[in-house]
Amino acid sequence: DSGVTQTPKHLITATGQRVTLRCSPRSGDLSVYWYQQSLDQGLQFLIQYYNGEERAKGNILERFSAQQFPDLHSELNLSSLELGDSALYFCASSAIAGGPTDTQYFGPGTRLTVL
Amino acid sequence: AQKITQTQPGMFVQEKEAVTLDCTYDTSDQSYGLFWYKQPSSGEMIFLIYQGSYDEQNATEGRYSLNFQKARKSANLVISASQLGDSAMYFCAMREWYGNKLVFGAGTILRVKS
Repeated sequence: DSGVTQTPKHLITATGQRVTLRCSPRSGDLSVYWYQQSLDQGLQFLIQYYNGEERAKGNILERFSAQQFPDLHSELNLSSLELGDSALYFCASSAIAGGPTDTQYFGPGTRLTVL
Repeated sequence: AQKITQTQPGMFVQEKEAVTLDCTYDTSDQSYGLFWYKQPSSGEMIFLIYQGSYDEQNATEGRYSLNFQKARKSANLVISASQLGDSAMYFCAMREWYGNKLVFGAGTILRVKS
């Protein structure tokens, strides 16, 4: 158990809908990262928050947004869902903002299926 | 731009034998970190081992060791005494000095045979 929690574990929804994925980082970690894992794209970095502020952005679509709250939990909002958004979404956390030694610990993931 | 290459899509190993999973990387940074993660069929991503670019010794964590060859830009994972529970997808990843994100390779599926 990494100490990172994600809810829900599974989510099935229809095209055009909006969903919210939730993540709680390990105790003491200030950074939260979101990744998307799909068969065709592999593991892709979406976005990072550090202590409530957006720190880095990756291949995140405009239909997707995220935030980190004062208690450091984070939410990833996916809207106008398309079939291609079906994927495993991971949250990871780390102690500091970045750098090569900052190990990221992953949550169990949320499997999103868009029908 | 940083890039990770894992050239072995799948590997088989006999239980109790050692296996090496290959990883090569490309970066223009002098300071970076290399990571290996395990993803079992249940889906979670489990951190296994870390190697810093300035570390002079190869990293070891239990049955896992990292064969780091900086000049060749390779960071191979060695699993000793393979167990059936080692069957999983293994990902090599890198993070640069000023980097935030992890960049992952495509992964290698390892199957341990009894």
